[in-house]
Amino acid sequence: DAGVTQSPTHLIKTRGQQVTLRCSPKSGHDTVSWYQQALGQGPQFIFQYYEEEERQRGNFPDRFSGHQFPNYSSELNVNALLLGDSALYLCASSRQETQYFGPGTRLLVL
Amino acid sequence: AQSVAQPEDQVNVAEGNPLTVKCTYSVSGNPYLFWYVQYPNRGLQFLLKYITGDNLVKGSYGFEAEFNKSQTSFHLKKPSALVSDSALYFCAVRDQTGGFKTIFGAGTRLFVKA
Repeated sequence: DAGVTQSPTHLIKTRGQQVTLRCSPKSGHDTVSWYQQALGQGPQFIFQYYEEEERQRGNFPDRFSGHQFPNYSSELNVNALLLGDSALYLCASSRQETQYFGPGTRLLVL
Repeated sequence: AQSVAQPEDQVNVAEGNPLTVKCTYSVSGNPYLFWYVQYPNRGLQFLLKYITGDNLVKGSYGFEAEFNKSQTSFHLKKPSALVSDSALYFCAVRDQTGGFKTIFGAGTRLFVKA
């Protein structure tokens, strides 16, 4: 049984560009959450998707948007990248209260 | 508002000795509480959770945690530390009645010396 997978593993972008990160949930999971983990900090909740709708959002600007597909996979889009968006982006899937995390996508904005 | 505090940036312990990593939390309602471990350049790995019931929760790799409602704490413990336990540990909380947002602490780095 595959766990949570994310792609790509690493990404380098320049300021002002747009990026799309992808996540496939663990088998049997219907909920996907996205987190941003800056260096030396804990993960910060971006948003959660359930039944293809954004169910709750953290304190992130509208530049951060997402999508969930009928097969429960999800994308995170970030527009107008800033240097401060450089971080590890983690996807977590769940069916009930416990979240299982993917390995993350490390984004570097230059 | 929910919050989590991990008061120690780093914990050092000798192999074979017991370890404790501290966590306190704040929520409006009843909490879901979690511990995760992160190894370098990896995602977070689930260790254990408290939902309801017995205050002592047992998890993976010999770890356990004790829920203390009066002290709003959920400290992670292990009777005998291994060098391989060296990693970054995160405590997290979600309000059972406050939506779906999970808040993580800043993390505690555990060093186990041989």
